[in-house]
Amino acid sequence: GENVEQHPSTLSVQEGDSAVIKCTYSDSASNYFPWYKQELGKGPQLIIDIRSNVGEKKDQRIAVTLNKTAKHFSLHITETQPEDSAVYFCAARSTGRRALTFGSGTRLQVQP
Amino acid sequence: EAGVAQSPRYKIIEKRQSVAFWCNPISGHATLYWYQQILGQGPKLLIQFQNNGVVDDSQLPKDRFSAERLKGVDSTLKIQPAKLEDSAVYLCASSLGPLAHTDTQYFGPGTRLTVL
Repeated sequence: GENVEQHPSTLSVQEGDSAVIKCTYSDSASNYFPWYKQELGKGPQLIIDIRSNVGEKKDQRIAVTLNKTAKHFSLHITETQPEDSAVYFCAARSTGRRALTFGSGTRLQVQP
Repeated sequence: EAGVAQSPRYKIIEKRQSVAFWCNPISGHATLYWYQQILGQGPKLLIQFQNNGVVDDSQLPKDRFSAERLKGVDSTLKIQPAKLEDSAVYLCASSLGPLAHTDTQYFGPGTRLTVL
């Protein structure tokens, strides 16, 4: 089955700096890669996703890049703000399978 | 649009007791998922329903866990008997279904289970 590895497990940045979180996946048949943000006591919330026919996608301060050859994808947050502090999860979904395989999460702390 | 609803939000039980969780997906969503999230880890799929049929329950510990979605809408997840290692957040998610152009999964707030 699919295996998703995520790094780093914790990340602390100063407000206004950029943050980068990286994930690798094992199943070359995976074709959908969402990123979720989870705040304390809440369920994961989708912040951006990318499909395998696209190399990069951007939404305001958030961008995701995908390298299918290397089987890795990354989340980039620019101009970080204290409200970006949360746990971020990457995930992957294989063709024909609807459920997601999640990474282990990155706790992002943005210092004011 | 109302989100995925789950209840209860918190539950504390002793080992060997039974417990049930309830989920109401977003209206019109054909696919429903139950995930287990152990502290410090990402969610792990337990079971997936398409309407009222099971699509994937390969990671469900069937000797103690059961789930149903009788009318293709609400779902219940049951644990009987509970073990200490079942302490986790149980997340319900729903999506439109495989025929939808975008099949985004939306998560509920989860039920935090503590087994003593």
